Amino acid sequence: QVHLQESGPGLVKPSGTLSLTCAVSGGSISNSNWWSWVRQPPGKGLEWIGEINHSWTTNYNPSLKSRVTMSVDKSNNQFSLKLNSVTAADTAVYYCARRPISCSGGTCTPDYWGQGTLVTVSS
Amino acid sequence: EIVLTQSPGTLSLSPGERATLSCRASQSVSSTYLAWYQQKPGQAPRLLMYGASIRATGIPDRFSGSGSGTDFTLTVNRLEPEDFAVYYCQQYVISPITFGQGTRLEIK
Repeated sequence: QVHLQESGPGLVKPSGTLSLTCAVSGGSISNSNWWSWVRQPPGKGLEWIGEINHSWTTNYNPSLKSRVTMSVDKSNNQFSLKLNSVTAADTAVYYCARRPISCSGGTCTPDYWGQGTLVTVSS
Repeated sequence: EIVLTQSPGTLSLSPGERATLSCRASQSVSSTYLAWYQQKPGQAPRLLMYGASIRATGIPDRFSGSGSGTDFTLTVNRLEPEDFAVYYCQQYVISPITFGQGTRLEIK
């Protein structure tokens, strides 16, 4: 059973950089998966931020692409998100998730999710 | 980007009734790449259906999905108290992955 756990500061100042890490247990980050980030502003819907695989190939949401960087740390079996130049609009619960690369029968949708971590952008 | 529009925004039903949730896409989506998620307050989304009609592991058979092209439906038969939550459809055929705005299923 794969388990994902987000960690990082819960408060970030405007114009600063949001940095989160997702620790993966129960499976290797080098397996054939996309490692994804999804966010949810308070009381609102879900927004896909992007994803990375173990080869450092990335797919970013065009709406955030200019501000997003994702990375993988194989030695610690974790992956990370950096979002720079944040504003109050970036306040959200941030989730990490696993998305299988193999799409047989449509299985390539995020299946395992972390519990989420609230990041507030405020001075 | 593919926009997914869910209806209704809120659905008020009683336990034991049937819920029918709709998801309409702004362009045709292969049913292979349409998923449904359930989210309860304070929890992460939970995968219910993928490939439009395939239940994820552990999902009871009172949940069913159907549809093709631009119109998809999630049906929940014989509503149980634990089914009252927010439901999101999601497409993953074209990047960026997008979600509908959600349907809130509430107890009447």
